[in-house]
Amino acid sequence: SQQGEEDPQALSIQEGENATMNCSYKTSINNLQWYRQNSGRGLVHLILIRSNEREKHSGRLRVTLDTSKKSSSLLITASRAADTASYFCATGKGANSKLTFGKGITLSVRP
Amino acid sequence: GAVVSQHPSRVICKSGTSVKIECRSLDFQATTMFWYRQFPKQSLMLMATSNEGSKATYEQGVEKDKFLINHASLTLSTLTVTSAHPEDSSFYICSARDVSGNYGYTFGSGTRLTVV
Repeated sequence: SQQGEEDPQALSIQEGENATMNCSYKTSINNLQWYRQNSGRGLVHLILIRSNEREKHSGRLRVTLDTSKKSSSLLITASRAADTASYFCATGKGANSKLTFGKGITLSVRP
Repeated sequence: GAVVSQHPSRVICKSGTSVKIECRSLDFQATTMFWYRQFPKQSLMLMATSNEGSKATYEQGVEKDKFLINHASLTLSTLTVTSAHPEDSSFYICSARDVSGNYGYTFGSGTRLTVV
């Protein structure tokens, strides 16, 4: 079963707008990660947030984690057409533990 | 940064033949690598965890005799799809994690397998 469930499943926005993607999970975690995948390619790690962290920033990315609600959000500010891709959240239970991926969100940024 | 090289990127094979996919960590050592399978427009499903020097741990429902995994060194893991059939056609992705633990898992660029 899917540990992570992202919503929305598809998001279309105009370049320059912000994109917010949400992820919910079911069991306890050590960390939550967000990945990006361009069509037919491998995954690129975007950001990792540990269970004892609430917010983290990296460039135009902001991720939050609410362990009480078992949810996370990824915000991409000032989106660009090049941000068009699928985004996945994944949860891990510890170092070198396997990751469990959500179903993914398809983001389309219109130029 | 950590780089994982996966080859081949695309392969077409006939039914009944075997295909080997390689996953190499180029600038770091990975005692553990992971193999995933992804169908079109779907998420990644973990197939097995590859441990250097020991047997792989397979997820429920994954046939270990069909998907042979070898992790003979700290930088190389291989997945062999034996006696491939059209239903094995999929996108296979490997990943490994830098032992520093400060980064997420690094993924290979994937292998598109088409069995005809």
